[in-house]
Amino acid sequence: QKEVEQNSGPLSVPEGAIASLNCTYSDRVSQSFFWYRQYSGKSPELIMSIYSNGDKEDGRFTAQLNKASQYVSLLIRDSQPSDSATYLCAVNRDNNDMRFGAGTRLTVKP
Amino acid sequence: GAGVSQSPSNKVTEKGKDVELRCDPISGHTALYWYRQSLGQGLEFLIYFQGNSAPDKSGLPSDRFSAERTGGSVSTLTIQRTQQEDSAVYLCASSFKVGGPTEAFFGQGTRLTVV
Repeated sequence: QKEVEQNSGPLSVPEGAIASLNCTYSDRVSQSFFWYRQYSGKSPELIMSIYSNGDKEDGRFTAQLNKASQYVSLLIRDSQPSDSATYLCAVNRDNNDMRFGAGTRLTVKP
Repeated sequence: GAGVSQSPSNKVTEKGKDVELRCDPISGHTALYWYRQSLGQGLEFLIYFQGNSAPDKSGLPSDRFSAERTGGSVSTLTIQRTQQEDSAVYLCASSFKVGGPTEAFFGQGTRLTVV
């Protein structure tokens, strides 16, 4: 079992819709959770971090964490074509060992 | 430095040659990671350093790959007897400064092409 699992996609949504990206992780002692965005040909960049169960909102982005289910999600409201990218879920395990999922490719169609 | 610095940014090498990739992490970061990304693929974990030690080397694909970190700072990833399947972007990231945030920051990567 991989430490961090994501659906590779591609996920395609129309402009203005909500995009929902999901991630599960295997290590129950994980404490910190992150979403990164990677545009084609570029390095990943951090867009959201979440540390506690529940929702965390930042503009059009909402991260959701459920530690009991070992599940993290990212919602993108009012999706824009500029949101088209690969989204990587990352989990920081107890000893500051950061592991990434393979990423979900999102396409937002105008 | 202000960010994670990797060198070279591009490397073309002949099959069978050895290559060294360098990563200079953000000053004070104790954790350093090497990932590999083939064209159109996700991140593939290679190795993780905490200080100078590597608690997890499980991602190194073969014994042709090795990495070291000295002084708790700069790391080098060495690939011996390169093969065409080693062609990829090699990404380095660093994280965790005591009292600071725990997210990882990436360098711009080294694009390795084996011909």
